[in-house]
Amino acid sequence: DGGITQSPKYLFRKEGQNVTLSCEQNLNHDAMYWYRQDPGQGLRLIYYSQIVNDFQKGDIAEGYSVSREKKESFPLTVTSAQKNPTAFYLCASSVSPNAYADTQYFGPGTRLTVL
Amino acid sequence: QQQVKQSPQSLIVQKGGISIINCAYENTAFDYFPWYQQFPGKGPALLIAIRPDVSEKKEGRFTISFNKSAKQFSLHIMDSQPGDSATYFCAARYPGGGNKLTFGTGTQLKVEL
Repeated sequence: DGGITQSPKYLFRKEGQNVTLSCEQNLNHDAMYWYRQDPGQGLRLIYYSQIVNDFQKGDIAEGYSVSREKKESFPLTVTSAQKNPTAFYLCASSVSPNAYADTQYFGPGTRLTVL
Repeated sequence: QQQVKQSPQSLIVQKGGISIINCAYENTAFDYFPWYQQFPGKGPALLIAIRPDVSEKKEGRFTISFNKSAKQFSLHIMDSQPGDSATYFCAARYPGGGNKLTFGTGTQLKVEL
């Protein structure tokens, strides 16, 4: 069963704690992406990775960190520096970051609530 | 600063009617314009997409109309069904590699019986 897995589906954390969101894909895609979704604001790009061991900041990278040690995995850490971390986080992947019209496939998302 | 402006924010259409969602952009370098459909609690899924050198693309009941001179594009859903009730996002691709997309703010569509 091919696809993108995000875990957990719901995550609760206390203010000031770092938290890591998991994203795994078995589609053999080169590129992976992290988005944040807030009501009324659409999807905003946090980080993206075109290849293993390489990643670039998106539009709202402050307070977040990522790693890409394996092709299949692209975990996102929400640090205590992120001022408003409560949101719905979506991971996506695509076959090749430089191919025209390369479709991004999304995971089911993780809803993070900081108490 | 929203690179792609989407309207309306919400839309209610009767079953069998036409749903129309509009998007406008400023950056003429965008080179690909997809539309995504998202059901509650799920990730978005690609619905239909268009290149800027094409004025219209149709797939089943879904049509994108693209007006390059006006820097606008729209999604038309013909014969709207209750199962189409979802949030729709337009997006635009930045050129130059990386496949980066910038998304509109979304339109929540409800199709009533």
